[in-house]
Amino acid sequence: DTAVSQTPKYLVTQMGNDKSIKCEQNLGHDTMYWYKQDSKKFLKIMFSYNNKELIINETVPNRFSPKSPDKAHLNLHINSLELGDSAVYFCASSQPWGSWTQYFGPGTRLTVL
Amino acid sequence: GESVGLHLPTLSVQEGDNSIINCAYSNSASDYFIWYKQESGKGPQFIIDIRSNMDKRQGQRVTVLLNKTVKHLSLQIAATQPGDSAVYFCAEGLLTGGGNKLTFGTGTQLKVEL
Repeated sequence: DTAVSQTPKYLVTQMGNDKSIKCEQNLGHDTMYWYKQDSKKFLKIMFSYNNKELIINETVPNRFSPKSPDKAHLNLHINSLELGDSAVYFCASSQPWGSWTQYFGPGTRLTVL
Repeated sequence: GESVGLHLPTLSVQEGDNSIINCAYSNSASDYFIWYKQESGKGPQFIIDIRSNMDKRQGQRVTVLLNKTVKHLSLQIAATQPGDSAVYFCAEGLLTGGGNKLTFGTGTQLKVEL
């Protein structure tokens, strides 16, 4: 069984378009995250939600809007895509306290042309 | 400001040898330091963590050492196997109101030669 799943795995789109990435976890965790990994493998947190509430919001352009319809899902919507948005986006989940084990999804490779 | 960095971008070792991956950090306010492994085409995977008041922690074939005096962290992998080939990240852990925030370093590519 897949613990953290993301769709789509690959996303190729034109500049200016709007796109969404979906994430689901079946681990029963309360906390979910979005990370961005650039071409140099640098991994940076974007958002964190705990029980559907936004907890961490790093300095991310407001073109990026996360949405958590329930504890098991955290989607990422991106408006007016730019070339610099090209990256691999990872969703992750964890329990909020005590554990540093975050379970990452397989990633979504976004390419903006 | 915060920064978590790695000394070497690529490390090549022979199968069966021990590997040592190093990490330097500048912010000593973190409570934990964590190592993650990322295989090609996959998401990062937790390996081991160490609390900042400890200097050593052992897991299965892995040992993490923390030297707070020089702000240095290392991951030792015993008897390195081909399956250990991956990018290894050290991360700084910060407890927040609703979750644990990880600040990742730049990563070291470990290549295991047969």
